[in-house]
Amino acid sequence: AQSVTQLGSHVSVSEGALVLLRCNYSSSVPPYLFWYVQYPNQGLQLLLKYTSAATLVKGINGFEAEFKKSATSFHLTKPSAHMSDAAEYFCAVSDRRRDDKIIFGKGTRLHILP
Amino acid sequence: DTGVSQDPRHKITKRGQNVTFRCDPISEHNRLYWYRQTLGQGPEFLTYFQNEAQLEKSRLLSDRFSAERPKGSFSTLEIQRTEQGDSAMYLCASSFDGNQPQHFGDGTRLSIL
Repeated sequence: AQSVTQLGSHVSVSEGALVLLRCNYSSSVPPYLFWYVQYPNQGLQLLLKYTSAATLVKGINGFEAEFKKSATSFHLTKPSAHMSDAAEYFCAVSDRRRDDKIIFGKGTRLHILP
Repeated sequence: DTGVSQDPRHKITKRGQNVTFRCDPISEHNRLYWYRQTLGQGPEFLTYFQNEAQLEKSRLLSDRFSAERPKGSFSTLEIQRTEQGDSAMYLCASSFDGNQPQHFGDGTRLSIL
């Protein structure tokens, strides 16, 4: 069975500061890993996806995530937070052998302080 | 590419009524997925289609729920005899195939009175 655990349901950072959203995964098979962002009353938008090509994955809007197999982690970072980054972020995992069903974490709400 | 479209955006209904939601995927996308998202939770997989074939259904999809994709294009999700616990955001996503990113619609928010 696959699962993801997002550490911290709410994270607050000052504008211009480093953003770090934590995600640990559990998978019995090599996984695909994702980060999605959700703005209020909207669907999810894919930020980035890990498929094993490279452990450091660059996404949209300046976000990136690093796959660490030994730590079973896939933390999301952005060097400098912007007010527009305020949203809900979801880490997710799927089975690489059958990329059909995505298992989402509970989400982390990112607050940006002026 | 107009994105995944869902209709209606909001639905308010009384307990016991039937409701139907529609999803129009991105054209040429063969796969279509339904998820349910409750407050404070991430989306949970319900079911998915490859063209018109429904290939998997979650155990979350009770016998009151039915999904169709008759011509391999748009899909409908029907909930019969709605219950309070059905209140949620219902999200639709589509992808070209199983190894391509899923593109999400803005969802239909269902409120049961």
